[in-house]
Amino acid sequence: KQEVTQIPAALSVPEGENLVLNCSFTDSAIYNLQWFRQDPGKGLTSLLLIQSSQREQTSGRLNASLDKSSGRSTLYIAASQPGDSATYLCAVRRSSNSGYALNFGKGTSLLVTP
Amino acid sequence: AAGVIQSPRHLIKEKRETATLKCYPIPRHDTVYWYQQGPGQDPQFLISFYEKMQSDKGSIPDRFSAQQFSDYHSELNMSSLELGDSALYFCASSLVRGGSPLHFGNGTRLTVT
Repeated sequence: KQEVTQIPAALSVPEGENLVLNCSFTDSAIYNLQWFRQDPGKGLTSLLLIQSSQREQTSGRLNASLDKSSGRSTLYIAASQPGDSATYLCAVRRSSNSGYALNFGKGTSLLVTP
Repeated sequence: AAGVIQSPRHLIKEKRETATLKCYPIPRHDTVYWYQQGPGQDPQFLISFYEKMQSDKGSIPDRFSAQQFSDYHSELNMSSLELGDSALYFCASSLVRGGSPLHFGNGTRLTVT
């Protein structure tokens, strides 16, 4: 059974800092990995999707990397802003077959203080 | 751009009642997923459908059932509700291509009293 772990569980940083969120998974036979953002009581917003054949993806101030062989992914947030405060979830997909769902980690709760 | 639409946004039911949650996927998306997220928990996969057929099954209780209709919308039916069923229920959709991302709706918050 695929286990997805995110470290740290919570993080508080002052505005402007660069930060790294970590995600690890036990079964390296993944198809892709997706990072999400969730605001309290709200839905999940997709941030970045990395296919198993890719090493990284970038979107604005966000950069996600994937090392499938070691079962790790990182989400790098540059020049953090208070609006980045949210829970960040990492999820892996185990199969290319349509309908095969994502396994989520428990998330990292990020607070960026002004 | 069109997103995944879920209804209702909030639902309050009593124990042992039934509830039906609806999901309308992004147009042309043919796969629908249902997730349950308890307070302070990560989303747990319940069930998914591809082309109106069940394609994967997770930790869905026997009291719950779901289906996908000809217009690709999906409904999650929940019977004999228990207090522990109180949670945020998400629907997500994606394209048939295995590498395509999942897009989530804003969820239905179910409260069982």
